Amino acid sequence: AQSVTQLGSHVSVSEGALVLLRCNYSSSVPPYLFWYVQYPNQGLQLLLKYTSAATLVKGINGFEAEFKKSETSFHLTKPSAHMSDAAEYFCAVSDLNQAGTALIFGKGTTLSVSS
Amino acid sequence: EADIYQTPRYLVIGTGKKITLECSQTMGHDKMYWYQQDPGMELHLIHYSYGVNSTEKGDLSSESTVSRIRTEHFPLTLESARPSHTSQYLCASSGFGTGGFGDSPLHFGNGTRLTVT
Repeated sequence: AQSVTQLGSHVSVSEGALVLLRCNYSSSVPPYLFWYVQYPNQGLQLLLKYTSAATLVKGINGFEAEFKKSETSFHLTKPSAHMSDAAEYFCAVSDLNQAGTALIFGKGTTLSVSS
Repeated sequence: EADIYQTPRYLVIGTGKKITLECSQTMGHDKMYWYQQDPGMELHLIHYSYGVNSTEKGDLSSESTVSRIRTEHFPLTLESARPSHTSQYLCASSGFGTGGFGDSPLHFGNGTRLTVT
């Protein structure tokens, strides 16, 4: 069965610092991978997705993620944090060709940004 | 800008009551989902649908039921609410992606936060 592990339930950075949120996946076949962001009292919004076209994926709000098959990782980064980036971030995986499969989510990482 | 709508946003209800959480989407998506979200936990899939008249149970055992009579509407019903049902319920939808079934992202509603007293 597929699974996603997000290392660190809470990450704190200063405004302007590098943001690094870690995600490792477990899948027997090449997966599709996603990062979502959730602001307070809202649903999840798609940040970016990996679908095997390119290993470095650029998303919205300056975020990007790199797919590393050898490390089974899909870490999310942003060069310079902004106060508005404070939110909860979820990594998710789906199977490549399994019809009707919903995404499997990690437990989430809360990002705090201090001034 | 939400294309998927959930009502109510907040609901406090007593034990034993029957409730229906509404979810509608305007994107014409065939696939719809209900997830349960608790703080510090993964989102757990409780129901999903491939299309009209199709409903399936997800990974998390749930005492709720769903129906899919119209493409745009996917309500979730609890026949008898209990305190253990207290949680946030997220509805989502997706189309079929260009690369197959798995690459289409989910679009989420803003959720219904349910409290059963």
